[in-house]
Amino acid sequence: SQQGEEDPQALSIQEGENATMNCSYKTSINNLQWYRQNSGRGLVHLILIRSNEREKHSGRLRVTLDTSKKSSSLLITASRAADTASYFCATGEKLVFGKGTKLTVNP
Amino acid sequence: SAVISQKPSRDICQRGTSLTIQCQVDSQVTMMFWYRQQPGQSLTLIATANQGSEATYESGFVIDKFPISRPNLTFSTLTVSNMSPEDSSIYLCSAMGLGGTSTDTQYFGPGTRLTVL
Repeated sequence: SQQGEEDPQALSIQEGENATMNCSYKTSINNLQWYRQNSGRGLVHLILIRSNEREKHSGRLRVTLDTSKKSSSLLITASRAADTASYFCATGEKLVFGKGTKLTVNP
Repeated sequence: SAVISQKPSRDICQRGTSLTIQCQVDSQVTMMFWYRQQPGQSLTLIATANQGSEATYESGFVIDKFPISRPNLTFSTLTVSNMSPEDSSIYLCSAMGLGGTSTDTQYFGPGTRLTVL
């Protein structure tokens, strides 16, 4: 299955620091999507990166994709307490999610 | 981006009863999906809601337990039937193909938090 697995499972940082989360998957993909979920609520779409793209930016977010290593990373720069959430990567049309990274940003 | 709403946002139900969750998208979309998120877990796809025909279920999910309707391009329902405490989860609908395009971005509703006693 095209399963994404995030690493680390949990990350705790201070406000202002950068947070990096990694995602690995098993099979060939057309694209990979990153989502954020606050306290068991709905998922917010962050970024979609296609298989022919290596890097994509959106505000304080930077996503990279290495198809040779079947991995992606999400970097949040200058983190804020409001960034505290779980972050998931997902692949495929019928999205297959990893277990997510729980990010805590301490004020 | 598409705006997706779900009703109810949460419910507490008795064992053996059924609950129907509604999902409304503010514009026509190509595809709609239903996911389940059990406590402390990630999301698992239940089925693809097909407009005007039977839903396509993933392994481990059956129509008798999770009947799904999708009468048009903007609306779908998921029923959780004959509930047990193990059905306590967040149920989320999602949509892609905004405006009938082939965009791959999948947007999610706010979820329905179900507790079965």
